Amino acid sequence: AQSVTQPDIHITVSEGASLELRCNYSYGATPYLFWYVQSPGQGLQLLLKYFSGDTLVQGIKGFEAEFKRSQSSFNLRKPSVHWSDAAEYFCAVVARGYQKVTFGIGTKLQVIP
Amino acid sequence: KAGVTQTPRYLIKTRGQQVTLSCSPISGHRSVSWYQQTPGQGLQFLFEYFSETQRNKGNFPGRFSGRQFSNSRSEMNVSTLELGDSALYLCASSLSGPGSLTDTQYFGPGTRLTVL
Repeated sequence: AQSVTQPDIHITVSEGASLELRCNYSYGATPYLFWYVQSPGQGLQLLLKYFSGDTLVQGIKGFEAEFKRSQSSFNLRKPSVHWSDAAEYFCAVVARGYQKVTFGIGTKLQVIP
Repeated sequence: KAGVTQTPRYLIKTRGQQVTLSCSPISGHRSVSWYQQTPGQGLQFLFEYFSETQRNKGNFPGRFSGRQFSNSRSEMNVSTLELGDSALYLCASSLSGPGSLTDTQYFGPGTRLTVL
């Protein structure tokens, strides 16, 4: 069955530390891959997306993600976390040729001083 | 450019009632998608409309319905409300669809529905 998994429900990092949020998918063909962020009381904002080509994707707010076909993964990274990055992060996929988005369960990021 | 707007922002209903939520997309966007967000189930796709036609539908009962008007504004209706329908309902708009290679899906702030 098609699915997207975010293994970490909650992550705590210190401000200034590096961050990696994991995302794995299970689809027949490589889907389109996205990372969104949701701040408290807000809608979702797109951080970055991958369709094809260069496997390292740069996004907004200093985030990047790396697509690894062999691991069916699309992990989100940031070298130095800021307190304002505290939010919930969602990995999402769209099967090629379709217009239906499937979201992971989300990873809530807490940033401590 | 104005963002995606959703009205109302908060709504309280009782079981058995029906509710209509509204979404105004970004000007020029023709695709509107609806999502239900709950703590237990996360974000789930409800349906997507493009140029007044429903293109995709998620796995929700027939009590959940929607439509899109010629100006791309969309409404979502839930009939015979159940306690489990309490959720944040998000809509998102894009030029041609969430699976487009070239454009981005923009989300509204959501409507918080509470069913008592």
